[in-house]
Amino acid sequence: GESVGLHLPTLSVQEGDNSIINCAYSNSASDYFIWYKQESGKGPQFIIDIRSNMDKRQGQRVTVLLNKTVKHLSLQIAATQPGDSAVYFCAEITSYGKLTFGQGTILTVHP
Amino acid sequence: NAGVTQTPKFQVLKTGQSMTLQCAQDMNHEYMSWYRQDPGMGLRLIHYSVGAGITDQGEVPNGYNVSRSTTEDFPLRLLSAAPSQTSVYFCASSFSNRHTRSYTFGSGTRLTVV
Repeated sequence: GESVGLHLPTLSVQEGDNSIINCAYSNSASDYFIWYKQESGKGPQFIIDIRSNMDKRQGQRVTVLLNKTVKHLSLQIAATQPGDSAVYFCAEITSYGKLTFGQGTILTVHP
Repeated sequence: NAGVTQTPKFQVLKTGQSMTLQCAQDMNHEYMSWYRQDPGMGLRLIHYSVGAGITDQGEVPNGYNVSRSTTEDFPLRLLSAAPSQTSVYFCASSFSNRHTRSYTFGSGTRLTVV
């Protein structure tokens, strides 16, 4: 069935380093992908999105890369800060706008 | 503009009790949905609605009912609570246009069934 999964459940980095969080998806019909950040006790917060007709999209300190050939999505965070520590989810939007989430990666940033 | 409002924030139920989780949005979004999140897991879709009067099942619909009588409200009902329904529940609303799609999440309802 449809699924979105992550390669790494945890990621620890030093403050100032760049972070890369990876995600694999299985539904080739998905036309929209979103990265969310979730802090403890809160709902998911939108970070960045990308349409399936794009390979790369940049935001402030974040970049999302999409490789449709291997069904892979990544989130790059530049100059990672302690405030970036959270759980990061990739999600895909499939038919009728349904949002399907991956398992999540815990990012820990050490000062 | 409050966004998506969920009530209550916390709830403890006994097995077999019923209750309704409330969700309201003031953004005039057509699409609304309910998710549950278990520890260490992503969010799983319970039910969704593409507009007033229209609802459909998601990945994990069993044990839950929904209705959508207005654009603003999308309540989630547990008819007979079970310990397996202990989870954090998130409501979301969304819109889409030719340029983007946007989902807004509520702050969640933490439900414990004992």
